[in-house]
Amino acid sequence: EVQLLESGGDLVQRGGSLRLSCAASGFTFRDHAMNWVRQAPGKGLEWVSVISGSGGRTYYGDSVEGRFTISRDNSKNTLHLQMNSLRAEDAAVYYCAKGEFAVPAAMGGLGVWGQGTTVTVSS
Amino acid sequence: QSVLTQPPSVSAAPGQTVTISCSGTSSNIGNNYVSWYQHLPGAAPKLLIYDNDKRPSGIPDRFSGSKSGASATLGITGLQTGDEAVYYCGTSESSLSAGHWVFGGGTKLTVL
Repeated sequence: EVQLLESGGDLVQRGGSLRLSCAASGFTFRDHAMNWVRQAPGKGLEWVSVISGSGGRTYYGDSVEGRFTISRDNSKNTLHLQMNSLRAEDAAVYYCAKGEFAVPAAMGGLGVWGQGTTVTVSS
Repeated sequence: QSVLTQPPSVSAAPGQTVTISCSGTSSNIGNNYVSWYQHLPGAAPKLLIYDNDKRPSGIPDRFSGSKSGASATLGITGLQTGDEAVYYCGTSESSLSAGHWVFGGGTKLTVL
């Protein structure tokens, strides 16, 4: 069974840092681009970042560019999101989501999502 | 303000049919594949439709998708109470890169 399990969400102070992880199982991890998508309280889904299957290509949403870094360890089937300079508006449930192909693309959709991990930012 | 525009809410009675629209531009929906997601409270979002009109295995044919120009539509027939959820459309924003996803603001479906 294909599964994604996020971890690392926590309460963090404004300006602080946090590292989220997503453990993947049930599929060939390196063959799929991986995304982070978040949902702030009372808001809709917001795409955060994507990394290609090899890890060689990364893209970020405007609101996190320069503060967040996506990475992956294909030997451990794990996706990461390093979050720095956290702001109140970064508070959200963060989901990892599997792309259909190794290259980032809308084709195939985001077929599998994790249950999410919650990031709370305090002042 | 979301890049893709969806109605905030729709409602219909059990057994009826509902459609949810998703409007974009030529740089997103107009030139990319659209997918649809069902999001129940406290659950992971679930892929319902990909590549405009394809259903993943296990998704009933009550769910359908279509695209015309810079707009897409999700249709749900034979509404059930279990269909109550928030539905999102998503696609790429070509003006940035094929990897940049954009989502609609979500449509809350109420089954009366």
